[in-house]
Amino acid sequence: EIVMTQSPATLSVSPGDRATLSCRASQSVSSSLAWYQQKPGQAPRLLIYGASTRATGIPARFSGSGSGTEFTLTISSLQSEDFAVYCCQQYNNWPGTFGQGTKLEIK
Amino acid sequence: EEQLVESGGGVVRPGGSLRLSCAASGFTFDDYGMSWVRQAPGKGLEWVSGITWSGGSTGYSDSVKGRFTISRDNAKNSLYLQMNSLRAEDTALYHCARGYYGSGRGWFDPWGQGTLVTVSS
Repeated sequence: EIVMTQSPATLSVSPGDRATLSCRASQSVSSSLAWYQQKPGQAPRLLIYGASTRATGIPARFSGSGSGTEFTLTISSLQSEDFAVYCCQQYNNWPGTFGQGTKLEIK
Repeated sequence: EEQLVESGGGVVRPGGSLRLSCAASGFTFDDYGMSWVRQAPGKGLEWVSGITWSGGSTGYSDSVKGRFTISRDNAKNSLYLQMNSLRAEDTALYHCARGYYGSGRGWFDPWGQGTLVTVSS
């Protein structure tokens, strides 16, 4: 089973600034990587799939990059609604596995 | 709007059973494979089980294989998870999600808000 490791566990950023979140796979997952946003009491929301393709309706301030074992989610110019938990998921190998999440909090 | 709404969670004693349901709307349910994904308190997300569009093939994580059974009723646009021999470590928020298993896509979208299962004596 592929282990997904996200860093940092918590990231404090000011509104309007850029946030960079990392996700590392224990072995190559090619570009089979998705990112999700989680808020308390809400359904998780798909942000990115294929490592860099934004899902329908996702604002352009969200971007994903990387391949192989190293991936990055960048949120440019943070809005108040962006403070949440973000997690990555690989779907290259069975079973699909998730990272533990990065909590993005207001600085 | 594509929507998934789970129900059926609750408190159950170790060794007990529970059946979760997921009602789908806003999309053609029988076009898609479906999955259950859970999140234990303080832990990350974990894929639990999946089923193809027809119900002809199912898959399970090692942690639930032999205890949980996934099924679907396409006429009712509904997904189910029968959970038997429940353990304390099955305590989690259970989400219904479209995709991954039996799907041409490996990601999950959309998701439901989840239903909470607590296994405790």
